[in-house]
Amino acid sequence: QSVLTQPPSASGTPGQRIIISCSGSNSNIGNNPVNWYQQLPGTAPKLLIYNNDQRPSGVPDRFSGSKSGTSASLAISGLRSEDEADYYCAAWDDSLNDQEVFGAGTKLTVL
Amino acid sequence: EVQLVQSGTEVKKPGESLKISCRGSGYTFTNHWIGWVRQMPGKGLEWMGIIYPGNSHTRYSPSFQGQVIFSVDKSSNTAYLQWSSLKASDTATYYCARQLTGASRSWWFDPWGQGTLVTVSS
Repeated sequence: QSVLTQPPSASGTPGQRIIISCSGSNSNIGNNPVNWYQQLPGTAPKLLIYNNDQRPSGVPDRFSGSKSGTSASLAISGLRSEDEADYYCAAWDDSLNDQEVFGAGTKLTVL
Repeated sequence: EVQLVQSGTEVKKPGESLKISCRGSGYTFTNHWIGWVRQMPGKGLEWMGIIYPGNSHTRYSPSFQGQVIFSVDKSSNTAYLQWSSLKASDTATYYCARQLTGASRSWWFDPWGQGTLVTVSS
């Protein structure tokens, strides 16, 4: 059971805007920045969003991140077939275990 | 170009030892933490811990403390993940990643290595 809760799946059609949520607690998202990673099928994860809402160079502005309280969201606009991937949120957790925690991942299907 | 290149696929028997590697290039290796992440077959990402190549300081997830060892060789810009006695449950893909740091307790992994698949089976 992951400390960060994501929906297991999401879907959309090309051109649509979808949002993937990530819910945590005061010990992680509530107190620390959130990062998002994209894992295309059969490949290594790639940084998509860091520090809640920052995009690394090379990541299209179709991808955006936000955070409010103990929840974070990843929005993808103008959905494309190549966006079909697993998406993971991550944040540091200050609780007893004091470590980075990942959500279980959301599998995005582009219909 | 900043890159992390990992060693190749391993097939081992239970009880055997193993050391996999992650070689960094295109940046000052000793200035950034290296993290290790496990992905079991068909599952999500798990943070195993981090090591600072500059002084070999480590931080392990409680789930992996005592089960694995992180080390580095500064002369070859290489980080290592090792097991002394593998179990079938260690079967997974293991990723290394460089940790970048921003302001105010902000850090993230970028880039990631391509992953090393470890299969443990009798």
